Amino acid sequence: GNSVTQMEGPVTLSEEAFLTINCTYTATGYPSLFWYVQYPGEGLQLLLKATKADDKGSNKGFEATYRKETTSFHLEKGSVQVSDSAVYFCALRYSPSGSARQLTFGSGTQLTVLP
Amino acid sequence: KAGVTQTPRYLIKTRGQQVTLSCSPISGHRSVSWYQQTPGQGLQFLFEYFSETQRNKGNFPGRFSGRQFSNSRSEMNVSTLELGDSALYLCASSSNPIWTEETQYFGPGTRLLVL
Repeated sequence: GNSVTQMEGPVTLSEEAFLTINCTYTATGYPSLFWYVQYPGEGLQLLLKATKADDKGSNKGFEATYRKETTSFHLEKGSVQVSDSAVYFCALRYSPSGSARQLTFGSGTQLTVLP
Repeated sequence: KAGVTQTPRYLIKTRGQQVTLSCSPISGHRSVSWYQQTPGQGLQFLFEYFSETQRNKGNFPGRFSGRQFSNSRSEMNVSTLELGDSALYLCASSSNPIWTEETQYFGPGTRLLVL
């Protein structure tokens, strides 16, 4: 079945540091890939997505490239801010027959950015 | 455009009771999915409704049920509550669940505590 493996957390960085959160997936076809972010006490917000191989999703300084050859979708940001502190979830959605399919999530990575 | 709304935001119940949670999707969205989030199991898919029909169901016992109304609003019900049902229940809406690249937009969640 489909699965997503995320880098174990928690991750603690100083402000302006470089961020990488690793995400790899297993799927039998060509899924769409997503990064969601969850701030304390809130629901999930879409951060970025990519729908086919070599696509790069980007938003608010975050980027992730859909790498089919390595089945990866690593999240990166060049300079993190305190306001980026949150839990980040990698997810995939795959629909082999065209019928509705759910999001499959990774376990989440807690990021704390210190001033 | 208003986002996904969920009511109530917080709920305390005792074992054996039943509970109903409500979700109003983004205007124009016809698909509603429900997810359970717990520290131990992470984010798990419960079910998805589209045009008042359940299209997809996760691996949860029959105590968990749902429905969707003609205005796309959805409710989920949990009967005979157990301590392990304590979780954040998230609702997500999308306009067309057929396409894997379609974004699911999440509500703030209902936090259920079972005592």
